[in-house]
Amino acid sequence: DTEVTQTPKHLVMGMTNKKSLKCEQHMGHRAMYWYKQKAKKPPELMFVYSYEKLSINESVPSRFSPECPNSSLLNLHLHALQPEDSALYLCASSHGQGTYSPLHFGNGTRLTVT
Amino acid sequence: QKEVEQDPGPLSVPEGAIVSLNCTYSNSAFQYFMWYRQYSRKGPELLMYTYSSGNKEDGRFTAQVDKSSKYISLFIRDSQPSDSATYLCAPKEGSNYKLTFGKGTLLTVNP
Repeated sequence: DTEVTQTPKHLVMGMTNKKSLKCEQHMGHRAMYWYKQKAKKPPELMFVYSYEKLSINESVPSRFSPECPNSSLLNLHLHALQPEDSALYLCASSHGQGTYSPLHFGNGTRLTVT
Repeated sequence: QKEVEQDPGPLSVPEGAIVSLNCTYSNSAFQYFMWYRQYSRKGPELLMYTYSSGNKEDGRFTAQVDKSSKYISLFIRDSQPSDSATYLCAPKEGSNYKLTFGKGTLLTVNP
């Protein structure tokens, strides 16, 4: 088991639905990340939160809306998604910006948009 | 030229073989070098990390960085079927949050 917990593990949603992905870590990390991974591809960065503030948005479409309620929790709100948004969505955390700070990943939410 | 190049394989070896996985990179600002292992339908798991040039050993795994040639390697000794996974190299600039992943190499260790 990883120390970054993501729920749900699987999600199927229609293009008109609104859903949320959740991520939780209790390692005291102050940076949290959302990545998107398509099959047989490496993870692609979407968002970074540092000390609960949005630090990086990699030009992600507005149908993806991140939220960091506190330093342990990270949400990704989804609405009006397209079938091509189907992917594995990974959450990660790290100690914070600075010298060495490896990322620890959860096992992801496998999202299917129908 | 991509910042990080990694041969996607697939690579198939017999159990007990020594495996060499490699990446090259072009960004001189990379200072930290990580290797992640990803099993099918799981998230990437941090396997090894090194800072600057040199070797780091952890059990059957050795990570090697040569900054002069911008070359990163991961060696697996006495490979086991449980090592079958995708291995991703991920260098990082010191002050930057962003990891730059290689494409990943799919490794199969046959019993």
